[in-house]
Amino acid sequence: DAKTTQPNSMESNEEEPVHLPCNHSTISGTDYIHWYRQLPSQGPEYVIHGLTSNVNNRMASLAIAEDRKSSTLILHRATLRDAAVYYCILRDVGGGTSYGKLTFGQGTILTVHP
Amino acid sequence: DSGVTQTPKHLITATGQRVTLRCSPRSGDLSVYWYQQSLDQGLQFLIQYYNGEERAKGNILERFSAQQFPDLHSELNLSSLELGDSALYFCASSAQGGRGGYTFGSGTRLTVV
Repeated sequence: DAKTTQPNSMESNEEEPVHLPCNHSTISGTDYIHWYRQLPSQGPEYVIHGLTSNVNNRMASLAIAEDRKSSTLILHRATLRDAAVYYCILRDVGGGTSYGKLTFGQGTILTVHP
Repeated sequence: DSGVTQTPKHLITATGQRVTLRCSPRSGDLSVYWYQQSLDQGLQFLIQYYNGEERAKGNILERFSAQQFPDLHSELNLSSLELGDSALYFCASSAQGGRGGYTFGSGTRLTVV
């Protein structure tokens, strides 16, 4: 499976923007970039995903580099409820052996200060 | 409520026993995925079913098995339980093709004593 690299932890202040980086230099053309977050004692929660173009939804924005070797999840105004582990995952839709599954790394622990 | 229902929420059992975890996917989703999360291993993919058929297999032990039924609910069977099987077990579902996001349930916390 193509691998992603994320910082172990990041900190932010409430109501400030947060940029969570992810490197995926071995990404293939059929890999979608997915972001999930997991709050303590809860299941992972879908945040956003994209292939080539930048994406926006009510939770966040996803900025994808032109060469697709890196991406950034942007939380426009962090709240205390955004404190979680954020996972950047590549999902193969090309029918290869990794088709279907999400392979979670260690993620980035985001701390939000009041 | 994410739409994916997992039961039971908590399970305490003894070593050597067998348990069954149940998952009802979000309405309309054909794919079901099982994950194990322990403190030292993070989230590990176990197995995927699509419309009743096994589609992908991860690091699932031979003591573990799963199936997806015609009504699309899935069960994960864990047998000959060991202390190390204590973990959170999550189920997720996705729509046909799975190109969109996955929806996870709130998990079953299994404690083996």
